[in-house]
This record gives sequence, structure tokens and C-alpha cells, in this order.
Amino acid sequence: NAGVMQNPRHLVRRRGQEARLRCSPMKGHSHVYWYRQLPEEGLKFMVYLQKENIIDESGMPKERFSAEFPKEGPSILRIQQVVRGDSAAYFCASSPLSDSEAFFGQGTRLTVV
Amino acid sequence: GQQLNQSPQSMFIQEGEDVSMNCTSSSIFNTWLWYKQDPGEGPVLLIALYKAGELTSNGRLTAQFGITRKDSFLNISASIPSDVGIYFCAGPVYSGSARQLTFGSGTQLTVLP
Repeated sequence: NAGVMQNPRHLVRRRGQEARLRCSPMKGHSHVYWYRQLPEEGLKFMVYLQKENIIDESGMPKERFSAEFPKEGPSILRIQQVVRGDSAAYFCASSPLSDSEAFFGQGTRLTVV
Repeated sequence: GQQLNQSPQSMFIQEGEDVSMNCTSSSIFNTWLWYKQDPGEGPVLLIALYKAGELTSNGRLTAQFGITRKDSFLNISASIPSDVGIYFCAGPVYSGSARQLTFGSGTQLTVLP
């Protein structure tokens, strides 16, 4: 049973470009969370999705950021018109139930140059 | 929003010593999770607690779900160099139907030879 798969592991974008981060949850998991982590800091919640639904996006900036978890395929975190401040590690986690433990992927490290 | 207060922020210990860290919240939690994050990696789930008073062990790790449901601690016995990393507590926070898994700020553990 493969774990949570995130790709790419590293992503470099120029200011103004779009960044697309992918997350394939563990098999059988229909709940996905996205977190952002700055160097030497903790994990900040961004968004919680179930299949085809955004349940809680209270941690996600209102502009330029969007997330989806389609019926088929991975969850996507999309950042439009990236700025230097978007540089961070973005982690995805999945769980089988809303109240159960979540398992993390290895993250995507976004660098905006 | 609701926060988890994790302490200490950092610890320097000698190899072989025991370690204790804890998490507190002003709100009641139904679940407490403890994760460890190695540099450049995603958090790995160590222990999950689901019942007040529950004491669970995983090798040299022991975690307890406080009776008040507002705190939890993690103990590591006979520390070894590979215990180095950041330890996070986490728990689900609900706002209406929305739910997010929120994290403490982490305890950075350094094990000295």
C-alpha cells in the first residue's frame, strides 16, 4: 500500500508563473489536507478537501491560491502568479475518515526566483 | 482560532536520557496525534490517541491523552541519535461542519553523543 505521493518534490518558478502541486492520497483515503511550512516553522493548515468538495479553506489565501480534489486523479494545489513569499514546503496529508489520523507525503519544496 | 501550545520549544539532551514534551489546549480534543519530522521530510505519525486517559506505547515512545482532554504528553526513553528531529502534536479542530487538523509549533530535539 503506497503512502501519500506528492510531486514534484522540488519546484522552481519565476515570479508571476503558476505552480501546480499534486498529491495522490493513500489508497482508500478520501480526505486530503494541505499544509504550508516555512523554514524553522511549524505546519500551517491551508485547506481540507473530500472528494469533489472543499470542506474547509479557512487557511488558504483568498487570492491566487486554489485547491481541488476531483473524483478521479490527484488533489491539486494551484498557486497563480507566484511571488517570492510563496517559497515554502507544501505538504499534503490524507486520512480515511474525518476523525482518524492523517498520513503525510514528503512534500513539495517550492522556490520562487 | 484554536491553538495547541507545545513545550518546550527545543531540547538538548545527552544520548541515553529520557525526554518529555507536552501539548496543551484551552479546548477539548477528541483525538491527539504525535508526529516526528526529519529534515527535508514530511511528518511521520508516531502515536494516535483517541480516549481520555489513554496511555499508548510505540517502542521507546509513550504518549498519554490527558484526563481533561485538554493536554497530552510524549515521552521518549533512552534517547538515541536518530531521535533528533521536530516533534509535533496535532488534533482536529471543528468549526461548524468544517474541520482542520491543527498542529502545535513543534519541539526541536537534539541528542548529544
